[in-house]
Amino acid sequence: DIQMTQSPSSVSASVGDRVTITCRASQGISSWLAWYQQKPGKAPKLLIYAASSLQSGVPSRFSGSGSGTDFTLTISSLQPEDFATYYCQQANSFPHTFGQGTKLEIK
Amino acid sequence: EVQLVQSGAEVKKPGESLKISCQGSGYSFTSYWIGWVRQMPGKGLEWMGIIYPADSDTRYSPSFQGQVTISADKSISTAYLQWSSLRASDTAMYYCARREISGSRDAFDIWGQGTMVTVSS
Repeated sequence: DIQMTQSPSSVSASVGDRVTITCRASQGISSWLAWYQQKPGKAPKLLIYAASSLQSGVPSRFSGSGSGTDFTLTISSLQPEDFATYYCQQANSFPHTFGQGTKLEIK
Repeated sequence: EVQLVQSGAEVKKPGESLKISCQGSGYSFTSYWIGWVRQMPGKGLEWMGIIYPADSDTRYSPSFQGQVTISADKSISTAYLQWSSLRASDTAMYYCARREISGSRDAFDIWGQGTMVTVSS
């Protein structure tokens, strides 16, 4: 299995801050990477696919980058509704493993 | 509206069997894979397996192979996740999700609301 490692595991930030979350794959996955947002008690929501493509309806303050083994999710200016847990997922090969998650908390 | 609707919460005893469901609507059910994702209380997302309803091609994570069975009935646009003998460690929220594959996109774009399974004596 391909292991996905996110960092940090948690981060505290304020409204208006720029935040970056990192995801590293244990082997190269080209651009087969997606990012999801999950709020408490809710199902995950797709934000980014193919490492850098924004899912329809997702605000443009979210962006993704990277290829190979190293990827980032950036939120350019945090809004109150962005405080949630974020997961990366590789789709290069089965099983399509998730990272362990990054909890974004209000400072 | 494209949606996946999952069956309701379950409370079971260890050793019992269980089958939960995920019904798709608003799209061609046989044209998309349906995956299952486990989330244990307070923990992260775990990819369990996936099925292509058109031909029932199924892939499992090694972590779940032999522990669960994924199936689908395309005539009623429904996918299933089942256990033959539940354990307390199966207590979790289970999500189904639609796998969108198009061009460079391969991701779960539509999710069910989740089914909470509680296993307790």
